[in-house]
Amino acid sequence: QKEVEQDPGPLSVPEGAIVSLNCTYSNSAFQYFMWYRQYSRKGPELLMYTYSSGNKEDGRFTAQVDKSSKYISLFIRDSQPSDSATYLCAMTPGFQKLVFGTGTRLLVSP
Amino acid sequence: EPEVTQTPSHQVTQMGQEVILRCVPISNHLYFYWYRQILGQKVEFLVSFYNNEISEKSEIFDDQFSVERPDGSNFTLKIRSTKLEDSAMYFCASSPPGGVGNQPQHFGDGTRLSIL
Repeated sequence: QKEVEQDPGPLSVPEGAIVSLNCTYSNSAFQYFMWYRQYSRKGPELLMYTYSSGNKEDGRFTAQVDKSSKYISLFIRDSQPSDSATYLCAMTPGFQKLVFGTGTRLLVSP
Repeated sequence: EPEVTQTPSHQVTQMGQEVILRCVPISNHLYFYWYRQILGQKVEFLVSFYNNEISEKSEIFDDQFSVERPDGSNFTLKIRSTKLEDSAMYFCASSPPGGVGNQPQHFGDGTRLSIL
């Protein structure tokens, strides 16, 4: 079983839709969970950072962590064409090494 | 907003040659990292560096790799004898003080390394 699993997509949605992106993981030691956005030929850009279970909201973005199910989600409300990118989940037990998912490619059409 | 900068953006090197990838982390950050991303694959951890020494390294980070912080602002990754399979995007990241694992890592835009 892979340590972090993420559907590579692509996920295609119309502008204004609510987008749900997900990752599952197997290592119960993971405590810190991140979502990064990566545009083509650019580095990962930090979107959301959460510790342990619960929800966190920042503008149109909401991150959810369910440690009992080993499942994390990122929701994007009112999606825009500029949200078209690859979304990477990443996590760590609290040490320095980040373990990434493969990334989900999101396409938001006008 | 402060950012991590990496140079060059693209490096083309002959197999067997040495290459140095350079990074300027965010100025008040104390933890530094290198990751790589082979085309079509996930981002993989290579090494972390704190207080002028390696704090963790992956299986990928073998004897051909080394890191250095030669001065107060630069952080470098050296690959001694490059192989075709070293072709990848190499990302530098840094995170601020605040305890191990407490602070998120911020990434540069990467150096695309092409080995011929």
